[in-house]
Amino acid sequence: GNSVTQMEGPVTLSEEAFLTINCTYTATGYPSLFWYVQYPGEGLQLLLKATKADDKGSNKGFEATYRKETTSFHLEKGSVQVSDSAVYFCALSKDNQGGKLIFGQGTELSVKP
Amino acid sequence: DTAVSQTPKYLVTQMGNDKSIKCEQNLGHDTMYWYKQDSKKFLKIMFSYNNKELIINETVPNRFSPKSPDKAHLNLHINSLELGDSAVYFCASSRSGAGGNEQFFGPGTRLTVL
Repeated sequence: GNSVTQMEGPVTLSEEAFLTINCTYTATGYPSLFWYVQYPGEGLQLLLKATKADDKGSNKGFEATYRKETTSFHLEKGSVQVSDSAVYFCALSKDNQGGKLIFGQGTELSVKP
Repeated sequence: DTAVSQTPKYLVTQMGNDKSIKCEQNLGHDTMYWYKQDSKKFLKIMFSYNNKELIINETVPNRFSPKSPDKAHLNLHINSLELGDSAVYFCASSRSGAGGNEQFFGPGTRLTVL
């Protein structure tokens, strides 16, 4: 079946450090891939997405590239801020499955000043 | 003018009780969802409705019964609550059930069963 695997957290970084959160997926065909972010006490919000191979999603300094050959969608940011502290979820969805999102287990990021 | 709203935000109840969670979206979306987030933050789809029709029912116990009176509302009723039902329940909506569409999430309802 379809699944998503993320690197385990928590991840603790100093402000302005480089961030990578690894995400790999298992799915047939060409799923759409997403990164959602959950700030403390809130619901999830879309951070970025990519719907086909080699697409790059970007938003708020975060980037992720859809790599079909390695079935990956790693999240990167060049310089994190304290305000980036949150839980990050990688997810996939497929057109023939009613839009449901299949999530990875989430990676908690804590950025220290 | 919250896009996806849920009530209540917190729900504390005894085992065996019946409770409901309400969800409303004002985005004009056709598709709505319920997700469950467990204590380890893992998120899993429970149900999906498109234009008031049930599309996805992901092996959820039949104590859980979703109801969609119209496209803008999707409620979740839970009978005979069990300890294992304690979780955060998120409602979400999207423009359609197509795979690439962004889903908009509500703030969540934290259910605690004692």
